[in-house]
Amino acid sequence: QVQLKESGPGLVQPSQTLSLTCTVSGFSLTSNSVHWVRQPPGKGLEWVGAIWSGGSTDYNSALKSRLSISRDTSKSQVFLKMNSLQTEDTAIYFCTIRLFAYWGQGTLVTVSS
Amino acid sequence: DVVLTQTPPTLSATIGQSVSISCRSSQSLLHSNGNTYLNWLLQRPGQPPQLLIYLVSRLESGVPNRFSGSGSGTDFTLKISGVEAEDLGVYYCVQSTHAPYTFGAGTKLELK
Repeated sequence: QVQLKESGPGLVQPSQTLSLTCTVSGFSLTSNSVHWVRQPPGKGLEWVGAIWSGGSTDYNSALKSRLSISRDTSKSQVFLKMNSLQTEDTAIYFCTIRLFAYWGQGTLVTVSS
Repeated sequence: DVVLTQTPPTLSATIGQSVSISCRSSQSLLHSNGNTYLNWLLQRPGQPPQLLIYLVSRLESGVPNRFSGSGSGTDFTLKISGVEAEDLGVYYCVQSTHAPYTFGAGTKLELK
């Protein structure tokens, strides 16, 4: 069955770079786009970006200067890298596919010194 | 970017009551392929969101048929016909017609 699992450092210092991994199973990355969505504590959902089945990417307009999404199809993994982190980037980060039909449980990223 | 305006921000309901949530888009969500990519999600506390409705009105597998979606162009509605306790949480509309994709701010459904 379709499964997605996010992993990451948990705590990141301000101005540093965040690296997250979404490990998937039950489907092919070359046939499905994978999206990242984040949710600050107590707030709503924000679309971060996506990597399409062909490998191209799209990003949130407000984040695109700091953001990179890539993948390793042989490992069934999608990667998110965001630099120059600030406290406002503290959030649960989810990966999701198929027009938001399947989600991982999310990983909490706290930006703090 | 497309802006989705959800109303009301909070909805109080009794069990069995029917309620509606509105989602208005700043531009038409009709894609050039003829589909309208407007989905509805429910997020219960401590859980990832769950897809309820896709392509405006199509019920996701396993979702109770008391949920229904309607609308076209820029105006969309989610209706719950007979709220049950398990329906409490925050509802979001999300558009995937135009990149970057965008979410509404959410509507919190709570018990009156």
